[in-house]
Amino acid sequence: NAGVTQTPKFQVLKTGQSMTLQCAQDMNHEYMSWYRQDPGMGLRLIHYSVGAGITDQGEVPNGYNVSRSTTEDFPLRLLSAAPSQTSVYFCASRGTPVETQYFGPGTRLLVL
Amino acid sequence: DAKTTQPPSMDCAEGRAANLPCNHSTISGNEYVYWYRQIHSQGPQYIIHGLKNNETNEMASLIITEDRKSSTLILPHATLRDTAVYYCIVRVAYGNTPLVFGKGTRLSVIA
Repeated sequence: NAGVTQTPKFQVLKTGQSMTLQCAQDMNHEYMSWYRQDPGMGLRLIHYSVGAGITDQGEVPNGYNVSRSTTEDFPLRLLSAAPSQTSVYFCASRGTPVETQYFGPGTRLLVL
Repeated sequence: DAKTTQPPSMDCAEGRAANLPCNHSTISGNEYVYWYRQIHSQGPQYIIHGLKNNETNEMASLIITEDRKSSTLILPHATLRDTAVYYCIVRVAYGNTPLVFGKGTRLSVIA
């Protein structure tokens, strides 16, 4: 199993550009989520999904869109990048009955 | 989810036990205590979780007080590789509630 994979590892954007952060898992987990982590801070939940076709907002959803068309993939879209979205983005998944949440390696995003 | 309180930082000598405390005085009867850690720049890693009994696995031990208002994560023989931020999280298990992270405790293991 590859676990949770994220692409790209690093990205530089200009203000106003859009992009999609990719996240995939091969553990057949229903639950997936996106977090952002700013320097020296804890993780904040952006969006999450409890299964294909179902998504919900977390603490900081503004400026981001998600969709869940398959169990495996949960992409995060930045509609119009802003410098405030400079952060490290982590994707995670978890299954039941084992309630361990697995995290990807992160995508480091710099918005200029 | 119940709120947790952790010290912002702790030091531990290499080879000694690291005891990381967590207060969760408003925990509900159906909420579990989870511990995760984040080694620099990596994604968080699950360590252990428990409801009311003490738990042990290959990584750590979790001691929960009888009233469940606090817990302690024990790394029995800390190594330099255990230097990380440790997060104590309380949530209802086996449901769809998200995992909400606080600021955690930054553990520095010193040679």
